[in-house]
Amino acid sequence: EAGVAQSPRYKIIEKRQSVAFWCNPISGHATLYWYQQILGQGPKLLIQFQNNGVVDDSQLPKDRFSAERLKGVDSTLKIQPAKLEDSAVYLCASSLEWAVNSPLHFGNGTRLTVT
Amino acid sequence: DAKTTQPNSMESNEEEPVHLPCNHSTISGTDYIHWYRQLPSQGPEYVIHGLTSNVNNRMASLAIAEDRKSSTLILHRATLRDAAVYYCILRGSGGSNYKLTFGKGTLLTVNP
Repeated sequence: EAGVAQSPRYKIIEKRQSVAFWCNPISGHATLYWYQQILGQGPKLLIQFQNNGVVDDSQLPKDRFSAERLKGVDSTLKIQPAKLEDSAVYLCASSLEWAVNSPLHFGNGTRLTVT
Repeated sequence: DAKTTQPNSMESNEEEPVHLPCNHSTISGTDYIHWYRQLPSQGPEYVIHGLTSNVNNRMASLAIAEDRKSSTLILHRATLRDAAVYYCILRGSGGSNYKLTFGKGTLLTVNP
């Protein structure tokens, strides 16, 4: 089965610019997650979708971050305007269902550098 | 959130077994013990999970203490490809503990 696809792989922008990341989950997976991983730390959940509805966005900095999942499949995460502290790897994951036993499958992430 | 404690780092030799410990003294009855690993420059990868009984799959074994306050991930024969950060995570069916919340994990180094 094809894995979670993310693009771009790398992105370098200046502070105050905007950036968007794209994720295509595994076919048939209802639940989609965006995580942020700062160097040296474990991933932190930003937002979780169930189909095209938001389940949890409690840790999403909503003044600058936004995310959507069109038609319950692909998803985009946007940052506008970017800050230096947004430099991190942004990971997308999907799971077959919203269940504690349903493993998450991660993409390889987008490495963002804000200068 | 239920928390886990893992050593910061461990070292092993190729083709030897590796036992990665995890303490979770505040685990609740509905919390599952999940293990993920993250190879360099990749996203995390699911390894195994369990509730009470020991579990085996093609990647590893999970040994869970009888009181469930600790668990051990066992790699039966380490290879260089097993060098990664290993995360032990509690995931329950209610409240914020439902989320997959990563700590810092254990950095496993495998020597040739």
